[in-house]
Amino acid sequence: QVQLQEAGPGLLKSSETLSLTCTVSGYSISSGYYWGWIRQPPGKGLEWIGTVYHDWSTYYNPSLESRVTMSVDTSINQFSLKLTSVTAADTAVYYCARAIILSGAHDYWGQGILVSVSS
Amino acid sequence: QSALTQPASVSGSPGQSITVSCTGTSSDVENYNLVSWYQQYPGEPPKLVIYEDNKRPSGVSKRFSGSKSGNTASLTISGLQAEDEAHYYCFAYARSGPDWVLGGGTKLTVL
Repeated sequence: QVQLQEAGPGLLKSSETLSLTCTVSGYSISSGYYWGWIRQPPGKGLEWIGTVYHDWSTYYNPSLESRVTMSVDTSINQFSLKLTSVTAADTAVYYCARAIILSGAHDYWGQGILVSVSS
Repeated sequence: QSALTQPASVSGSPGQSITVSCTGTSSDVENYNLVSWYQQYPGEPPKLVIYEDNKRPSGVSKRFSGSKSGNTASLTISGLQAEDEAHYYCFAYARSGPDWVLGGGTKLTVL
């Protein structure tokens, strides 16, 4: 069974850098899917942040691209997200998910991690 | 890249059918041509219920169906049940990017 688990600090201050990791179990991230991050501010809708492939190819939402970096570590089956210069608007539940290359469908999701940004 | 438009809310009585629409611009339709739908309960991650416009993942009820026409994709839930009360989101995917554009979400209330 494929499982994804987010990890990282739950509280940041404005201007700091958000760093999250997603550990994948039950499937090798080198085996042909995209791996992505999606966030959801409290009480609001979903927002695609970006996606990474095992060859380190990255694809970012244009609205966040200047602040986002994603990477993979195939040796520990993990991928990560960095978001710089955070503000209160970045307060959200951050989900990692697996996406099927041909269809773009996100078939497996982590439980999500709430990251709050205080001023 | 603008968000896809979904109605904020829809409602229906048990046993009825409802449809949630997901509308993009002509540019969205041309470039983001594969739609998936997700069901989300409060405090839970989204769950895939439709992919490639109209295909159901294994384990998803046959009461869920998807379609697309012109600029609009639709999710239909037939034989509404109380457990269908949730938020529903559409995602449109462009293989050429790849990238995704998402709908704002629709809250389904079962009366």
